[in-house]
Amino acid sequence: DVKVTQSSRYLVKRTGEKVFLECVQDMDHENMFWYRQDPGLGLRLIYFSYDVKMKEKGDIPEGYSVSREKKERFSLILESASTNQTSMYLCASSSVPGQISGYTFGSGTRLTVV
Amino acid sequence: AQSVTQPDIHITVSEGASLELRCNYSYGATPYLFWYVQSPGQGLQLLLKYFSGDTLVQGIKGFEAEFKRSQSSFNLRKPSVHWSDAAEYFCAVGTLSDYKLSFGAGTTVTVRA
Repeated sequence: DVKVTQSSRYLVKRTGEKVFLECVQDMDHENMFWYRQDPGLGLRLIYFSYDVKMKEKGDIPEGYSVSREKKERFSLILESASTNQTSMYLCASSSVPGQISGYTFGSGTRLTVV
Repeated sequence: AQSVTQPDIHITVSEGASLELRCNYSYGATPYLFWYVQSPGQGLQLLLKYFSGDTLVQGIKGFEAEFKRSQSSFNLRKPSVHWSDAAEYFCAVGTLSDYKLSFGAGTTVTVRA
């Protein structure tokens, strides 16, 4: 089975800190995604990547950036964390085309910014 | 752009009773449809998916879903709910013209003894 691993289950960071959320998948998937999940809002796409060093903005990219230097790793960066970025962050990966095969999700990182 | 609506925010059901979760989508062509389940504190797990063919799709954990083109719906059902089915359920839609899946806001299911 495809495994998507997010490095931290829980993180607490201070306002203004630079935060890195790491995601690794082990099945050579081309596509990788970062979502944030908030009650009542469902999943909102932050960024996605369809190849190494390629990235595209999702629906809510403001305040975030991403890095994909290797195919298996997709990092989400909060340049200067703010309290409104407190959320559950979910990483996912898929083969091509993911909209047909579906995504495999990691277990999530619950980030609290204080 | 496609959109997905899950009309029910929260459903409470007795253990052993049947469950139906509603999902409506908005898209001109035939979409690719998915149901995911999220247990507390976990990521999302794929329950089932529909691409074409038989409109009644079987998934894992005893779930099934029916695609109804005329109603733009893809409702999820389970004949007899177990306490372990308490979770949040997400419907998602994809199309060939876009890399991304669009997700509904989710329905939380509570199972009472």
